[in-house]
Amino acid sequence: NAGVTQTPKFQVLKTGQSMTLQCAQDMNHEYMSWYRQDPGMGLRLIHYSVGAGITDQGEVPNGYNVSRSTTEDFPLRLLSAAPSQTSVYFCASSPGHLRSEAFFGQGTRLTVV
Amino acid sequence: DQQVKQNSPSLSVQEGRISILNCDYTNSMFDYFLWYKKYPAEGPTFLISISSIKDKNEDGRFTVFLNKSAKHLSLHIVPSQPGDSAVYFCAAPTYNQGGKLIFGQGTELSVKP
Repeated sequence: NAGVTQTPKFQVLKTGQSMTLQCAQDMNHEYMSWYRQDPGMGLRLIHYSVGAGITDQGEVPNGYNVSRSTTEDFPLRLLSAAPSQTSVYFCASSPGHLRSEAFFGQGTRLTVV
Repeated sequence: DQQVKQNSPSLSVQEGRISILNCDYTNSMFDYFLWYKKYPAEGPTFLISISSIKDKNEDGRFTVFLNKSAKHLSLHIVPSQPGDSAVYFCAAPTYNQGGKLIFGQGTELSVKP
């Protein structure tokens, strides 16, 4: 039972490079989201999706794009990496009803140099 | 505007004793709370939740208490075990953005043998 799968686990980028963080879930969940975790700041929402074809911004969306063409996949694109985007990124999914728990992937540790 | 706050970044407890992790919130509209546990290099996993219609919820060694008038919740772990050493996040869903989770900053618990 895979749950939420994120790739890659680690990545080093140079400033200005672009890349896509992949996220896939096999639980048929409607709701998917991307968070970043920084020291002393908890997890902050970047973008989220309430279903295929629907995405919206979270608290810290600048510098990131998302799309949701299928229920299963929710990739996060860094358009032009900056050192401020050095962080650990988590993808999460949930069934979508308001009190459901979220299931998280293992995370991607990104360093921008 | 930190709506969910965990003011203790770390806590150290002796094995077998009680661990108490605290969380405060400012938004009186929050009516459901979740605790997540996170080990290094892994994603957060759901631990326990509580609805605002209750003031206590228990699951084995884990109990969450909710004091609505004080806008405060706490997670009690009794007895604490070395395997409980992890970062604990409290979170609350907001219903205006598809149920996105607002996380506290996290408390790192260390249980010493």
